[in-house]
Amino acid sequence: AQSVSQHNHHVILSEAASLELGCNYSYGGTVNLFWYVQYPGQHLQLLLKYFSGDPLVKGIKGFEAEFIKSKFSFNLRKPSVQWSDTAEYFCAVMLDTGRRALTFGSGTRLQVQP
Amino acid sequence: DTGVSQNPRHKITKRGQNVTFRCDPISEHNRLYWYRQTLGQGPEFLTYFQNEAQLEKSRLLSDRFSAERPKGSFSTLEIQRTEQGDSAMYLCASSYALSYENGGYTFGSGTRLTVV
Repeated sequence: AQSVSQHNHHVILSEAASLELGCNYSYGGTVNLFWYVQYPGQHLQLLLKYFSGDPLVKGIKGFEAEFIKSKFSFNLRKPSVQWSDTAEYFCAVMLDTGRRALTFGSGTRLQVQP
Repeated sequence: DTGVSQNPRHKITKRGQNVTFRCDPISEHNRLYWYRQTLGQGPEFLTYFQNEAQLEKSRLLSDRFSAERPKGSFSTLEIQRTEQGDSAMYLCASSYALSYENGGYTFGSGTRLTVV
């Protein structure tokens, strides 16, 4: 069965620092990749997604992610974080098999200090 | 469009009792999903519907769990004879089958179940 690993469980940064959150998945076939964000007290929201094409995808709020197939990775980046980026971030995989269930990682809690 | 609505927001129940949660998806979405999220973990897939048909169930969905979507609109998730291990956030999401690539799912805010 496929799995998703997020190695950073809790990250603390100062405003304006650069962010990179790791995401690795285990599945040998074609995958669709997602990053979701959950702000305190709010529902999960889609940040960005990769289905095919350019492996560098841009999402909302200045976030981007790079799909590196050889490394089974889909790391999330932002050059300069803001206090409002404080949230929990989840990486997710959807297999390109017609099945529409998402497999999520365990999440990374990001705390941005002003 | 009010998004995906879940009720109740919180439910506290005694072990052994039955509970039922409701999810109202975005009206034009024909797919509906249930996930469960425990503390410190990401959401785990439970089941999904396309219209009124339940197309897939996870092995996490024991016999005590049942989900329905009788008219292809709202859905209910019932847990019978609740156990403390059922304590979790139950999330509902919806999507439109032919356009999931454009936006992925829309999640609701969840129902937090506490079994005491």
